[in-house]
Amino acid sequence: DTEVTQTPKHLVMGMTNKKSLKCEQHMGHRAMYWYKQKAKKPPELMFVYSYEKLSINESVPSRFSPECPNSSLLNLHLHALQPEDSALYLCASSHPRHQPQHFGDGTRLSIL
Amino acid sequence: AQKVTQAQTEISVVEKEDVTLDCVYETRDTTYYLFWYKQPPSGELVFLIRRNSFDEQNEISGRYSWNFQKSTSSFNFTITASQVVDSAVYFCALSPDSGNTPLVFGKGTRLSVIA
Repeated sequence: DTEVTQTPKHLVMGMTNKKSLKCEQHMGHRAMYWYKQKAKKPPELMFVYSYEKLSINESVPSRFSPECPNSSLLNLHLHALQPEDSALYLCASSHPRHQPQHFGDGTRLSIL
Repeated sequence: AQKVTQAQTEISVVEKEDVTLDCVYETRDTTYYLFWYKQPPSGELVFLIRRNSFDEQNEISGRYSWNFQKSTSSFNFTITASQVVDSAVYFCALSPDSGNTPLVFGKGTRLSVIA
């Protein structure tokens, strides 16, 4: 079992749906990350929160909306996604600056 | 520019063989950190090792060993006596001191260990 918990593990949604991905960690990490990973590719950074504030947004389309309600939780709100958004979405957390990131199992998202 | 190159896309070995995964990095920073992660078919990335730019000592952990050479900008990973459970995609990554990107990943090497 990983120390970063992501739910759901699988999600199938239509292009007009609204859904949310959730991520939780209890390691006291103050940096949290969302990555998108397509098959046979490395993870691609989407967002970074540091001390509950958004510090990096890698020019992600507005149909992805992150939220960090507190230091243990990270959400990714999804709306009007496109088929090309189908991917594995990974959450990670770490102590800030150069520390190892700990990853969750990911959510496999399919857009119909 | 910060970059990590893993030239080996896929490697297949027979169980009990030794295998080395290559990693070459580029950075102008004097302070930086290097990482290896393992991604089994289940999907999660598992942290294996972190090394900072001032520590060139090689490291061994069980069947795993890492060779860091600043002179060639390489941080290679060797698995001794490979096992089927080692089958996974392995990512080398760089955490530079400058810039905004916390972790620059290589493209990964898919290792298949055949029984």
